[in-house]
Amino acid sequence: QVQLVQSGAEVKKPGASVKVSCKASGYTFTDWYMHWVRQAPGQGLEWMGWISPNTGDTNYAQKFQGRVTMTRDTSISTAYMELSRLRSDDTAVYYCARSGGFDYWGQGTLVTVSS
Amino acid sequence: DVVMTQTPLSLSVTPGQPASISCKSSQSLLHSDGKTYLSWFLQKPGQSPQLLIYELSSRFSGVPDRFSGSGSGTDFTLKISRVEAEDVGLYYCMQGIHLPKTFGQGTKVEIK
Repeated sequence: QVQLVQSGAEVKKPGASVKVSCKASGYTFTDWYMHWVRQAPGQGLEWMGWISPNTGDTNYAQKFQGRVTMTRDTSISTAYMELSRLRSDDTAVYYCARSGGFDYWGQGTLVTVSS
Repeated sequence: DVVMTQTPLSLSVTPGQPASISCKSSQSLLHSDGKTYLSWFLQKPGQSPQLLIYELSSRFSGVPDRFSGSGSGTDFTLKISRVEAEDVGLYYCMQGIHLPKTFGQGTKVEIK
C-alpha cells in the first residue's frame, strides 16, 4: 500500500532553516510528482510547490521563491523540502502529498519557529 | 492566483440528513482535455487531509458512495446524501489546473 512517512517535529529559531523529509513506499517513487502543502495553526491549506522525483524539476509557489528548495534522493525514495530564513509565521504543519490528485498524504511534520 | 470560495464555512447536520457544500472558483477549471480539475478533501480532527473526489466527480478508492461531486466551469458542489458521525471535519475544495494550486477556506461539518 502507498505510504508517505515524514520526519519528526522540529523547533527552530527565526532566521534558521529546516529540512523535512518524506519517505515513499508502496509505489514507484519516480512515477509521481510530489507536492508540499502547509497548514498554519487553525488555518487552511497552502500549496508550496512540487518536485518531479524522476528529473528533479521543481515548481515553487511565488510566495516561497528564494526560500524553499525541494530535492529528492531516488536511491531511498525520499523527497525533501527545505525552508530557509524562517519566520514565526512559518510555524505550521508541513505535508507531502503524491501527485495524481493529491491522493496520498504524509502524516505531517510540525515546524515551530520561536525565539 | 485562482481564488476558491467555499460556502457555508460551517454546517451542523443531523445524522442521516443530507449536506451540501458549495465551492466557486475565480477562473474556469475546465481543461482542454475535457476534464475539470476540481478535488474535494476531508480533514478529520487531528489527521492529514484525505482525498474524497477528484476530477469533479470521481470518487477516490474506498470513499463511500454517499459522497458525490458535481458542477461545471466555476461552480461546484459536494453532496453527502446521508451524513454519518464519521463525516465530521473540515472539507476543502482544491483547483488543480492553474499554478499555484489553491484551496478553499474550508467548511467545518459537525453533527447535531
